[in-house]
Amino acid sequence: EAGVAQSPRYKIIEKRQSVAFWCNPISGHATLYWYQQILGQGPKLLIQFQNNGVVDDSQLPKDRFSAERLKGVDSTLKIQPAKLEDSAVYLCASSLESAANYGYTFGSGTRLTVV
Amino acid sequence: AQSVTQLGSHVSVSEGALVLLRCNYSSSVPPYLFWYVQYPNQGLQLLLKYTSAATLVKGINGFEAEFKKSETSFHLTKPSAHMSDAAEYFCAVSEGTGFQKLVFGTGTRLLVSP
Repeated sequence: EAGVAQSPRYKIIEKRQSVAFWCNPISGHATLYWYQQILGQGPKLLIQFQNNGVVDDSQLPKDRFSAERLKGVDSTLKIQPAKLEDSAVYLCASSLESAANYGYTFGSGTRLTVV
Repeated sequence: AQSVTQLGSHVSVSEGALVLLRCNYSSSVPPYLFWYVQYPNQGLQLLLKYTSAATLVKGINGFEAEFKKSETSFHLTKPSAHMSDAAEYFCAVSEGTGFQKLVFGTGTRLLVSP
């Protein structure tokens, strides 16, 4: 079974620029999550999709972050404009269903550095 | 809201020694609890999970954890550390009804010396 694919692996941008991350979940997984992991901290949920609908985006800074999951498969996370404090690893995870006992599979993440 | 507290941002052990990583949770309902491991420049890998079956849960790589409701704890242990166990370990609790999500602790970095 192929894992969760993310790209790019690394990205360096200047503040106020825009950036986009891509995630391809495991085939058939209905639930997709984007987490932000700042250095020295645990991952924090940004947004959760069930198929192509958003079920939780309460911690997404909507003035600069946006995400979509077209056709309930791939997802993109965008930041525009980026700030220095957005430097972090952005992790995508997917799950068969949203119930926690199914377990989540994480991708390798995209490390963003904003200079 | 659910939360987990991981005591100790760093734990150092010698190879062959017991590994004990602490996690306490706060939850108003019986929780699902998880331990994940993260190696450098990689994503999170599930070590084990507690989903209200047996209180002693065995995971991969020789790790196990015991759910203790009276202590609201879910500590991770391994009898004998290997050099390859050096990594960051995260405890997580499920939150929500219907659409659930994971809430993570701040992590504990395990250092293993020869």
